[in-house]
Amino acid sequence: KQEVTQIPAALSVPEGENLVLNCSFTDSAIYNLQWFRQDPGKGLTSLLLIQSSQREQTSGRLNASLDKSSGRSTLYIAASQPGDSATYLCAGPSNTGKLIFGQGTTLQVKP
Amino acid sequence: DAGVTQSPTHLIKTRGQHVTLRCSPISGHKSVSWYQQVLGQGPQFIFQYYEKEERGRGNFPDRFSARQFPNYSSELNVNALLLGDSALYLCASSIVAGRNEQFFGPGTRLTVL
Repeated sequence: KQEVTQIPAALSVPEGENLVLNCSFTDSAIYNLQWFRQDPGKGLTSLLLIQSSQREQTSGRLNASLDKSSGRSTLYIAASQPGDSATYLCAGPSNTGKLIFGQGTTLQVKP
Repeated sequence: DAGVTQSPTHLIKTRGQHVTLRCSPISGHKSVSWYQQVLGQGPQFIFQYYEKEERGRGNFPDRFSARQFPNYSSELNVNALLLGDSALYLCASSIVAGRNEQFFGPGTRLTVL
């Protein structure tokens, strides 16, 4: 049974700092991994999708990596800004396509 | 192109009532999934539909049901509401069922009093 864990649960950093969010999963037979951003009370915005055949994806200041052998993914945010404050969720699909989510990391970037 | 849309945005019900939530997928997407997100938790899978057929069901009681229409929109129904059903209900669409990127709507906030 796939379980997804995110560490830390909360993170507070000063503006401009580079930071790493961690996601681990128990079943290495993960097909792809998706990172989402969620603002308070809002829906999920897809940030990056890493296919199982890829090791990383980049979009602007965001870089996500996937290491299936160790069961880990990281989301790297460069030069953080107050607008990056949100909850970040990672999720991997089962072979049927349902997404299994971690509990999220709540990020606060202080001006 | 419009993204995934959900209605209503907010809903307040009392225990024992019934609720229907609606979702329209991205144009061209044929699969819709429903998730429940309780405050402070990650979303939990409820249902997946593809081509009007149920393709997956999460660990939720029979009070939860759903269907998909010929235009690929979907409804989630919850009967005999309990206080614990209070949550953000999220709809996601993908091109087909399976291991494809999923795109989420803004959610429906359900409060059960």
